[in-house]
Amino acid sequence: AQTVTQSQPEMSVQEAETVTLSCTYDTSESDYYLFWYKQPPSRQMILVIRQEAYKQQNATENRFSVNFQKAAKSFSLKISDSQLGDAAMYFCAYYFGSARQLTFGSGTQLTVLP
Amino acid sequence: EPEVTQTPSHQVTQMGQEVILRCVPISNHLYFYWYRQILGQKVEFLVSFYNNEISEKSEIFDDQFSVERPDGSNFTLKIRSTKLEDSAMYFCASRESLRGYTFGSGTRLTVV
Repeated sequence: AQTVTQSQPEMSVQEAETVTLSCTYDTSESDYYLFWYKQPPSRQMILVIRQEAYKQQNATENRFSVNFQKAAKSFSLKISDSQLGDAAMYFCAYYFGSARQLTFGSGTQLTVLP
Repeated sequence: EPEVTQTPSHQVTQMGQEVILRCVPISNHLYFYWYRQILGQKVEFLVSFYNNEISEKSEIFDDQFSVERPDGSNFTLKIRSTKLEDSAMYFCASRESLRGYTFGSGTRLTVV
């Protein structure tokens, strides 16, 4: 079974500081995609960043970057220069195969302290 | 930016009633999905739909659930006889063949 594990249910960071959210996954597939989604209190699912497993280079989107360690099956999210608007639940997710249904982790609730 | 539209945003229904949740996926997307998130829990896959038929479904998606694409634009999820445990946020999503998902803003279903 494919699983995604987020071991930090809650994290906090001071505004303007950097925080890293952890994610590990378990798969026997070689071709897959990894994602981080942000869910603010409105509960909308917002894509933050994606990583293709075949790419060795870590994905970056402005203040958001990932550390993708394929052999270790680890996919952490780094948020630099944290802003109050970054406060949300963050979900790590993964998909593979033709139907490509997403498997989500249990989420990390990020609090940004002013 | 194209959006996935879900209606209603909040639906309250009595236990045992049928509900239909509606979604309008992005027009050139080929794959459609329903996900569910019970309050405080992770997001769970329900069903995927491609080429006018179900391509995958989870254990959650039992005989009480059905999906339909009745015309060229809408994609619906029907729950035949709602139970209290069906209370959740339901997300519709669509996808092009090689790109990531676009999620709708969700329908909060409350069964009383």
